[in-house]
Amino acid sequence: GENVEQHPSTLSVQEGDSAVIKCTYSDSASNYFPWYKQELGKRPQLIIDIRSNVGEKKDQRIAVTLNKTAKHFSLHITETQPEDSAVYFCAATVNRDDKIIFGKGTRLHILP
Amino acid sequence: DGGITQSPKYLFRKEGQNVTLSCEQNLNHDAMYWYRQDPGQGLRLIYYSQIVNDFQKGDIAEGYSVSREKKESFPLTVTSAQKNPTAFYLCASSIGTGRKLAKNIQYFGAGTRLSVL
Repeated sequence: GENVEQHPSTLSVQEGDSAVIKCTYSDSASNYFPWYKQELGKRPQLIIDIRSNVGEKKDQRIAVTLNKTAKHFSLHITETQPEDSAVYFCAATVNRDDKIIFGKGTRLHILP
Repeated sequence: DGGITQSPKYLFRKEGQNVTLSCEQNLNHDAMYWYRQDPGQGLRLIYYSQIVNDFQKGDIAEGYSVSREKKESFPLTVTSAQKNPTAFYLCASSIGTGRKLAKNIQYFGAGTRLSVL
């Protein structure tokens, strides 16, 4: 079946440094790629998304890049802050079934 | 206060018992979803519904059942056939599904943590 692979599963970065999380997807028809952030004990919330007709999108310190040929997309967080500590999930649409498949998540630790 | 509400926050199940998790939304969304979250496993889709009176199995539907009698409500029953029910259950909704991209943003409830006694 279709799937989304996410790496790394855990990431620790020094406060102020950048963090990068990478995902690959298998469905060549996927056309929407959201990223969700889940803080400890809270619900997942959308932080940024990208459509298949663009290669990059930026929102303040967060950016997402998409390479449709290689079927991978990445989340970039610059100038990391303590409040960036959370679990991040990537996802991709599976259009045949009209649903979204999530990656297994990346636990990001921001070190003081 | 608009949003998606799950109840209860914590639930305990005895051996052989069926339990039902509630999910209600007042966002006028067509699509609703149930996910199971285990440590290191991410979000796995149990069931989803694109419209009232219709629903489809997700990737891990065995041992679960759902109904969608009203647009606002999508309850999940964890049956006795689900041998490992201990997990965090998340309900979500979206305007719709399909190839209209703007409709795929999912909004999540606060979750129900289910444990076995």
